[in-house]
Amino acid sequence: DAGVTQSPTHLIKTRGQHVTLRCSPISGHKSVSWYQQVLGQGPQFIFQYYEKEERGRGNFPDRFSARQFPNYSSELNVNALLLGDSALYLCASSLNPVPDTQYFGPGTRLTVL
Amino acid sequence: DQQVKQNSPSLSVQEGRISILNCDYTNSMFDYFLWYKKYPAEGPTFLISISSIKDKNEDGRFTVFLNKSAKHLSLHIVPSQPGDSAVYFCAASGSARQLTFGSGTQLTVLP
Repeated sequence: DAGVTQSPTHLIKTRGQHVTLRCSPISGHKSVSWYQQVLGQGPQFIFQYYEKEERGRGNFPDRFSARQFPNYSSELNVNALLLGDSALYLCASSLNPVPDTQYFGPGTRLTVL
Repeated sequence: DQQVKQNSPSLSVQEGRISILNCDYTNSMFDYFLWYKKYPAEGPTFLISISSIKDKNEDGRFTVFLNKSAKHLSLHIVPSQPGDSAVYFCAASGSARQLTFGSGTQLTVLP
């Protein structure tokens, strides 16, 4: 059974550009969450979606947005990239919203130059 | 303001001995706690969880202890194996229904 998949694996962008990261949850999972992990820190919550509706938002600027599609896959969009956006972006899926156990994908490594 | 703290960035343990990883939290509204393990180039993997109505939960070699009065939890791994070498994250959730992670502890199990 396939786990959470994310694409792309790695991405290099320049300041001011826009980026879209994609996530496919485990089959049957209806909740998707996004996290940002900066080197040396734990994952930091960005968004949670359940049944295509936003269920939670972390302390991130409006440059960050996300959506969930009818097949429960999800996209994270970041506009006007800053150097500080360089991080590992993790997607996690669960049957139901937190506190259901979340299963993480391998992440997308974003580098902003 | 870090609501979940892992004060030990690293821990080395001899194979076969006990590994004890610690985590402190400040938010009294947290009611569910989890431990995740992370290998390089992989996403975090769920290990074990505990609800605030319990003080102990076991799963094989892994046991999590929760001390609500001290706002402290710990993960015990017995016996430790070289394959346990990874970064361990403590996480908590509460009424906000989002996971808050600690900064992680790098566990190295020496053969």
